[in-house]
Amino acid sequence: KAGVTQTPRYLIKTRGQQVTLSCSPISGHRSVSWYQQTPGQGLQFLFEYFSETQRNKGNFPGRFSGRQFSNSRSEMNVSTLELGDSALYLCASSLRLDSPLHFGNGTRLTVT
Amino acid sequence: GQSLEQPSEVTAVEGAIVQINCTYQTSGFYGLSWYQQHDGGAPTFLSYNALDGLEETGRFSSFLSRSDSYGYLLLQELQMKDSASYFCAWRENRDDKIIFGKGTRLHILP
Repeated sequence: KAGVTQTPRYLIKTRGQQVTLSCSPISGHRSVSWYQQTPGQGLQFLFEYFSETQRNKGNFPGRFSGRQFSNSRSEMNVSTLELGDSALYLCASSLRLDSPLHFGNGTRLTVT
Repeated sequence: GQSLEQPSEVTAVEGAIVQINCTYQTSGFYGLSWYQQHDGGAPTFLSYNALDGLEETGRFSSFLSRSDSYGYLLLQELQMKDSASYFCAWRENRDDKIIFGKGTRLHILP
């Protein structure tokens, strides 16, 4: 069974631009969550989706948004990029809301 | 507030045993999980404790004491490949978001 796939692996953007990241969960997994990882800050929760509904949202500004499609694939969007948005963005899927998370390899975003 | 505390770094010797602690301050508790992340890699699930006691999976064990708001990950017969970051993670209730600790970087000396 294929794992969680995130695209693209690397992105370089300039301040003020917007970016869309994509995540394809493991087949059959209906829950998808997103995390921002920066050195020293661990994994910061962004959002969690289950069956196309946002179930939980982290403490991030409104510039960060996401959605989940009927096939469980998910996207997250960051608008008006800031230098501080440079990070590794990880997507994870799980069978149910309380099941172990399976992470993708992440998208490394660099904002210049 | 809700927080998970774990040491930022731990150093141990190959073949030895190491314990990585995680303490939490939360209003609710659904379970404590542990994840391993190698440099440049994705976090991978190691263990989960919903109830007090020890869960063993090969060389790795995880312990939870809900009365002490404390858990730990125990790694035995350390191997160089165990050099990684280890994260504890908690969920307040079944439908709540998962909160991760900031991670413990494990250094293993030959």
